[in-house]
Amino acid sequence: NAGVTQTPKFQVLKTGQSMTLQCAQDMNHEYMSWYRQDPGMGLRLIHYSVGAGITDQGEVPNGYNVSRSTTEDFPLRLLSAAPSQTSVYFCASSYTTPLQGGEEQYFGPGTRLTVT
Amino acid sequence: GDSVTQMEGPVTLSEEAFLTINCTYTATGYPSLFWYVQYPGEGLQLLLKATKADDKGSNKGFEATYRKETTSFHLEKGSVQVSDSAVYFCALSGNFGNEKLTFGTGTRLTIIP
Repeated sequence: NAGVTQTPKFQVLKTGQSMTLQCAQDMNHEYMSWYRQDPGMGLRLIHYSVGAGITDQGEVPNGYNVSRSTTEDFPLRLLSAAPSQTSVYFCASSYTTPLQGGEEQYFGPGTRLTVT
Repeated sequence: GDSVTQMEGPVTLSEEAFLTINCTYTATGYPSLFWYVQYPGEGLQLLLKATKADDKGSNKGFEATYRKETTSFHLEKGSVQVSDSAVYFCALSGNFGNEKLTFGTGTRLTIIP
């Protein structure tokens, strides 16, 4: 199993450009999520999905879109990049939702994004 | 809402020293508690967890006990190694109505030989 994979590993964008961060998992996990990691702020949830066709907003969703057409893939789209979106982005997945407690989240290696 | 507070870093210790990283939480229900570790250039991985009060999680020589009376989940290791250098995150989940992991800000640990 490859686990959770993310592409690209690094990306530089200019303000106003759009792009899609890819995330895929091969563990048949129902729950997938996107976090951003910023210095001194830990990880903050952007969007999450509890299954194919179902997505919902996390605590910092503005400027980002997601879709979940298959169980395996959960891409994150930046509509019009801004310097405030400079961050490291992590995708994570698990069999069940965190609401049910005790479930380990599996994280991808991250995408480091710089917006100039 | 739910929150997790970790001791401020960075923390620098000599090899074989005793480690404690403090973590306290605020939650209205009965969450599960986790420690995740992030090695340089990698994603987070689960280090240990505890799902109810008085449970002790342990892995790779690290331990943490779920203390409901003090709302704490402090991470300890008796003798650290250079390979333990990483960023450590305390987190909680499973609280009623909360569909996410809530993370602390992370503590960077550096072990010097």
